[in-house]
Amino acid sequence: QVQLQQWGAGLLKPSETLSLSCAVSGGSLHGYYWMWIRRPPGKGLEWIGETNHVGSTIYSPSLKSRVTISVDTSRRQFSLRMSSVTAADTAEYYCARGTTYYYGSVSCDEIDVWGQGTTVTVSS
Amino acid sequence: SSELTQDPAVSAALGQTVRLTCQGDSLTTSYASWCQVKTGQAPVFVISGKNLRPSGIPDRFSASSSGDTGFLTITGAQAEDEADYYCISRDTTDKYVIFGGGTKLTVL
Repeated sequence: QVQLQQWGAGLLKPSETLSLSCAVSGGSLHGYYWMWIRRPPGKGLEWIGETNHVGSTIYSPSLKSRVTISVDTSRRQFSLRMSSVTAADTAEYYCARGTTYYYGSVSCDEIDVWGQGTTVTVSS
Repeated sequence: SSELTQDPAVSAALGQTVRLTCQGDSLTTSYASWCQVKTGQAPVFVISGKNLRPSGIPDRFSASSSGDTGFLTITGAQAEDEADYYCISRDTTDKYVIFGGGTKLTVL
């Protein structure tokens, strides 16, 4: 059973860089998307971006200028860096595994494994 | 379009059947999957748009779709089903993951 264990600094000052990592155990990194997702207080889930096992990345257009997601297959980890954080980046951050299935011409994206979450607070 | 629209809040009596909806242009070419977020907990994958449940998810949860709308049906809602439910898909470019705004389900 695949499990994700995440860690990283939880208290940042404005303009600092957020850095989180996520370790994958119990399964392969191949064939999946490895994502970061956040949930600001009182708001809904927001996709930040993803990488695959070879490091091909896609980022949310609204965060692309500040975000880097990387993967280290030898350590079975992937990471998130977000620069120049502000109070608006205060949120619960999750790493997660995604898969796309195809049923004929119709696709279905599933996010089927989630990390435990990291509370990130940006405050001066 | 890059939006999935969900009703912000739905309530159901204990044991009642409740259907949550998720509407968006991308759902004409993709199925929505669903996750459940309980207070203070990490999200949990509930069901795929092809009505496939992971192990541990009760069979009272089912998924279906019609046109540009996906549905999550809970047949006989239980107190433990009270949570926020999010639908998930990719946008019409098939590139970016998008979430619905979430539906807060209250079981009375």
